[in-house]
Amino acid sequence: DVKVTQSSRYLVKRTGEKVFLECVQDMDHENMFWYRQDPGLGLRLIYFSYDVKMKEKGDIPEGYSVSREKKERFSLILESASTNQTSMYLCASRSRRGWYYYGYTFGSGTRLTIV
Amino acid sequence: AQSVTQPDIHITVSEGASLELRCNYSYGATPYLFWYVQSPGQGLQLLLKYFSGDTLVQGIKGFEAEFKRSQSSFNLRKPSVHWSDAAEYFCAVGTQGGSEKLVFGKGTKLTVNP
Repeated sequence: DVKVTQSSRYLVKRTGEKVFLECVQDMDHENMFWYRQDPGLGLRLIYFSYDVKMKEKGDIPEGYSVSREKKERFSLILESASTNQTSMYLCASRSRRGWYYYGYTFGSGTRLTIV
Repeated sequence: AQSVTQPDIHITVSEGASLELRCNYSYGATPYLFWYVQSPGQGLQLLLKYFSGDTLVQGIKGFEAEFKRSQSSFNLRKPSVHWSDAAEYFCAVGTQGGSEKLVFGKGTKLTVNP
């Protein structure tokens, strides 16, 4: 019954590496989101996508990029990982129509550690 | 721009006691309002939402919330807390029209004592 799947629960990468976080949803949702979650700061929006090949910056896009080549998959890319990007990353999706009734559906998160 | 304030970072209650988690929002028009719960190491699960109609909304796990426009609040309540309710709770506000993104509060961590 899994609807939003994030490929890794835990990930450890080295400073300077290019890191890919993958998110797949099986609900045919048009909109997808990437958030990072840090203690005391709540959830902050990094990037979102309204449809395939469309992307918009969120509140904290610096150091990140995204890719959405297929409707079901939304990838977050850390171009050159730094220790301040150590965080929990959450992917979410929603239907474009009536989203306020169903809300967002979240994945289980990827806890990323940059060493 | 819309914003959400959850004034309590951490709340501790005894099992069986009543619970109220506070949420205040800032938005000029009628917002969409949500409460999510996050168990340790997990993603967020929708508890309940408000977008129109009756201002008292019921959710899953015995939770309810009341939208009070005059106070810009959407407080979450439960009459009797269970140990399994220990988690972090997030209030979120969304807008009608425009980009319609959700903005989250910083969360309230709930500890339940036996």
